[in-house]
Amino acid sequence: AQKVTQAQTEISVVEKEDVTLDCVYETRDTTYYLFWYKQPPSGELVFLIRRNSFDEQNEISGRYSWNFQKSTSSFNFTITASQVVDSAVYFCALSDAQGGSEKLVFGKGTKLTVNP
Amino acid sequence: SQTIHQWPATLVQPVGSPLSLECTVEGTSNPNLYWYRQAAGRGLQLLFYSVGIGQISSEVPQNLSASRPQDRQFILSSKKLLLSDSGFYLCACLPQGSYEQYFGPGTRLTVT
Repeated sequence: AQKVTQAQTEISVVEKEDVTLDCVYETRDTTYYLFWYKQPPSGELVFLIRRNSFDEQNEISGRYSWNFQKSTSSFNFTITASQVVDSAVYFCALSDAQGGSEKLVFGKGTKLTVNP
Repeated sequence: SQTIHQWPATLVQPVGSPLSLECTVEGTSNPNLYWYRQAAGRGLQLLFYSVGIGQISSEVPQNLSASRPQDRQFILSSKKLLLSDSGFYLCACLPQGSYEQYFGPGTRLTVT
């Protein structure tokens, strides 16, 4: 069965600090996708990134970067120079690539608070 | 791009009452549709998904049901609500040819 673990329940940092959110996953599939979503206080989930299991290149988008390591089944997310607007709950998710259903399995989320 | 609407935004219902939550999608055709529930302090749990009109798959046994009467309409229902049905319900859409699910604004349900 697929499983996503986000061991950090809550993280609090001061503005401009760098912060890394951890994500560890379990799957028996050889082809799968990994995702990060942001949930601001309004509640709506905002898609941040998708990675497929064959692409282990790290990705950077502005202040955001993602480190995918198959050897440790991890897909960590780093925010550089954090800002107050980054305060949100962040979810890591996993889906298989079979059957067309594209069901997502979510971790329990990490609540990030960035203080001014 | 697609837009997902959910109605109502908030709902307070007594135990034993019926439920109907609606999700409608604009800007895409024949998407996969999903209902997730987020209980307080917990992650998102997939409840139902649909790959087409009238096609519903249930992920978790419960007293909820789902229907897809039209291509871009997905409804979550219950005949008799339980206290444990309280939570934040999110509808999601997976457009044809895409791998990313996009989420609606959610409905916050409180069962009293």
